[in-house]
Amino acid sequence: AQTIHQWPVAEIKAVGSPLSLGCTIKGKSSPNLYWYWQATGGTLQQLFYSITVGQVESVVQLNLSASRPKDDQFILSTEKLLLSHSGFYLCAWSLGGNERLFFGHGTKLSVL
Amino acid sequence: GQQVQQSPASLVLQEGENAELQCNFSTSLNSMQWFYQRPGGSLVSLFYNPSGTKHSGRLTSTTVIKERRSSLHISSSQTTDSGTYLCALERSGGSNYKLTFGKGTLLTVTP
Repeated sequence: AQTIHQWPVAEIKAVGSPLSLGCTIKGKSSPNLYWYWQATGGTLQQLFYSITVGQVESVVQLNLSASRPKDDQFILSTEKLLLSHSGFYLCAWSLGGNERLFFGHGTKLSVL
Repeated sequence: GQQVQQSPASLVLQEGENAELQCNFSTSLNSMQWFYQRPGGSLVSLFYNPSGTKHSGRLTSTTVIKERRSSLHISSSQTTDSGTYLCALERSGGSNYKLTFGKGTLLTVTP
């Protein structure tokens, strides 16, 4: 069975500090991977997707970057956090495009 | 304009009542999915339903492409059904890797 693990579960960070969020998928080779973000009370927005190692496409510009260093790993990061980065970050996977999407448990980020 | 509109925005039911949640979209689609968002924020996949009707326990999803709508029916609601229900579509002609979400329906089931 496939499992998706996100870390950390929650973060409290200062404005201007760096950030790194991680996501690992086990039990499935070469999945499509996605990062989503949801502001408090807001709509889920897709940030990035990756269909293969080393390739990441940006969907929404939020002064964030993403990388896929391994087949089963997806990293979301920034060197300088903004207040507007606060919210809930979700990693997801699918078998391919136009396929059912499965989410991790998410990371709650508070930027102060 | 907004591509995905969900209604109602919120709904309060007494346990045992049925619910009908709507998702209307303004664009042609490749796929439609329904998710349940727990109060803590994590999402559970309920249905992948690009067209037709699908059943899962007390849940039924119906997507009618020509009418540009999808619905989620919850029968005999339980307090554990409380949470936010989200629909999301993958637009035809767009990227095969982008889902657009609605704002959701917040369901509260009281004992």
